[in-house]
Amino acid sequence: AQSVTQLDSHVSVSEGTPVLLRCNYSSSYSPSLFWYVQHPNKGLQLLLKYTSAATLVKGINGFEAEFKKSETSFHLTKPSAHMSDAAEYFCVVSPGGYNKLIFGAGTRLAVHP
Amino acid sequence: DTGVSQDPRHKITKRGQNVTFRCDPISEHNRLYWYRQTLGQGPEFLTYFQNEAQLEKSRLLSDRFSAERPKGSFSTLEIQRTEQGDSAMYLCASSFRSMGENNEQFFGPGTRLTVL
Repeated sequence: AQSVTQLDSHVSVSEGTPVLLRCNYSSSYSPSLFWYVQHPNKGLQLLLKYTSAATLVKGINGFEAEFKKSETSFHLTKPSAHMSDAAEYFCVVSPGGYNKLIFGAGTRLAVHP
Repeated sequence: DTGVSQDPRHKITKRGQNVTFRCDPISEHNRLYWYRQTLGQGPEFLTYFQNEAQLEKSRLLSDRFSAERPKGSFSTLEIQRTEQGDSAMYLCASSFRSMGENNEQFFGPGTRLTVL
């Protein structure tokens, strides 16, 4: 069975400092992995996706994630946080590519001035 | 706006009543998905359609839940005899599958159901 574990339920950073949101996955074969963001009262938006091409994946708004098979991790990073990055972030795995998505519990990112 | 739309955005009902939600996908998308999100959790897969065919249903989808996509366009999700545990955000997503590949799922804003 495939699953994801988001290691932090809340992360708080100051504006302009780096962001690290941690995700470990469990999969019996090569997974497709994603990060989605959910702003209050808005729909889920895809930040980036990994589908067995480059292990370092660049997404929108300056976010990137690195697929590390040996560590079964897919952590999300951003060099410098912006106030507008405050939102809920979900690490997601998909069996068989883009069929059903299996979401982690989410990490709420707070950005302070 | 050409994104995924859902109606209603909010629904309050009494326990035991039936409710129906509608999802209109992006027009050229042939796949449509339903998810449920409870407070403080990530969305959970319920079911999905390719055109009008329902291809997979989660064990979360009890016999009180039924989903349809009669003409391969919009979809409805009905919950019969609602229970307080059905209170959640119901999310719809759509995508386009071609040549053996699936593409990004685009999500709607959701329907928030409150069962009193």
